[in-house]
Amino acid sequence: AQSVTQLDSQVPVFEEAPVELRCNYSSSVSVYLFWYVQYPNQGLQLLLKYLSGSTLVKGINGFEAEFNKSQTSFHLRKPSVHISDTAEYFCAVSDRYPGSQGNLIFGKGTKLSVKP
Amino acid sequence: DAGVIQSPRHEVTEMGQEVTLRCKPISGHDYLFWYRQTMMRGLELLIYFNNNVPIDDSGMPEDRFSAKMPNASFSTLKIQPSEPRDSAVYFCASSPQGNYGYTFGSGTRLTVV
Repeated sequence: AQSVTQLDSQVPVFEEAPVELRCNYSSSVSVYLFWYVQYPNQGLQLLLKYLSGSTLVKGINGFEAEFNKSQTSFHLRKPSVHISDTAEYFCAVSDRYPGSQGNLIFGKGTKLSVKP
Repeated sequence: DAGVIQSPRHEVTEMGQEVTLRCKPISGHDYLFWYRQTMMRGLELLIYFNNNVPIDDSGMPEDRFSAKMPNASFSTLKIQPSEPRDSAVYFCASSPQGNYGYTFGSGTRLTVV
């Protein structure tokens, strides 16, 4: 079975500073990886996903993530954050096999707080 | 596209009452998921459907919970009887076949008093 660990429950950062949100996963098989963002009182929105190909994945709102198989990590980065990036971010993993669409496992989330 | 639509947005009910949460997935999406979000347990998959058929309900907490998908455009999650520990935000999500990005609804915040 897979599992996802988001190492930081909260990350405070100043506006225009870079940020990295860490995610490590555990799985005995190959995986698909995802980052979602949740703004207050809203549902989750897909930021980016890694299915195959280049290990550097670019998403919406200037975010990117890099898949590192040897370190089983999928850290999310943004070079310069904005106040509007304040939200909770979730890393998720799914097994890479037919029929795995239903077993997306989420981490506990990281609350990003951007201060002026 | 209006996205995944959930109703109601907020529900406050008394312990022991029946609660029904509703979801309209995106047209053409083959998969529908029900999740529950709490501070203590985070996001938990309750059940998911493929082409209106329940595939995995192992996440449903107990027999008080039931879910149906009578057609491709509508699903319900019912709790009977409700208990205070059921208080949470319940999300519905849908996804097309082969596309592993789920689209989530805005959620229903359930409070059982």
